[in-house]
Amino acid sequence: ETGVTQTPRHLVMGMTNKKSLKCEQHLGHNAMYWYKQSAKKPLELMFVYSLEERVENNSVPSRFSPECPNSSHLFLHLHTLQPEDSALYLCASSQDGTGFYEQFFGPGTRLTVL
Amino acid sequence: AQKVTQAQTEISVVEKEDVTLDCVYETRDTTYYLFWYKQPPSGELVFLIRRNSFDEQNEISGRYSWNFQKSTSSFNFTITASQVVDSAVYFCALSELNFNKFYFGSGTKLNVKP
Repeated sequence: ETGVTQTPRHLVMGMTNKKSLKCEQHLGHNAMYWYKQSAKKPLELMFVYSLEERVENNSVPSRFSPECPNSSHLFLHLHTLQPEDSALYLCASSQDGTGFYEQFFGPGTRLTVL
Repeated sequence: AQKVTQAQTEISVVEKEDVTLDCVYETRDTTYYLFWYKQPPSGELVFLIRRNSFDEQNEISGRYSWNFQKSTSSFNFTITASQVVDSAVYFCALSELNFNKFYFGSGTKLNVKP
């Protein structure tokens, strides 16, 4: 596998469910990101990990919980979501978290909350 | 105020026409990076170009060209002889060299009709 992969590609869940999104990068990068993309809104940066340490949490509700067990893997744990959380969730990685390098994105997980 | 403005929400052209996508940014930093990404219907953002603030040379890559003008804080993207496969949403982004200062514009949807 190459690049950035995300699973699942589509997810439908109820508001009381608990689920997790998975991201894996095969690029040897040291920084990983979670973004939310809603219809007609700019990409929203949710979380940034650099060298497995969380370095940014852009006021994201606690019902979203990230986990970065190593530099290649990133998870987003979801619980008690709301319908407005329905969106495309994109994972990205970059060589480091300085902003100097471009980010490489995965295909995204299309999340629907019923 | 938005850091990156893409005023054109949607553009439709006929195949073989040239099209320019506008991007205007705002920053007080003297060192920064600008990026363009393409998001086809499949959802994955694809990196197109990175340009640093000290390099105002225009860049050409095949049918793609970029015009960076610091005087007007613009970084416009032109597709020459557009093709149906160019249909996508195009995002301009600004990095102020900090992991949490990476800003995306709202995107321009390009429709290229045969």
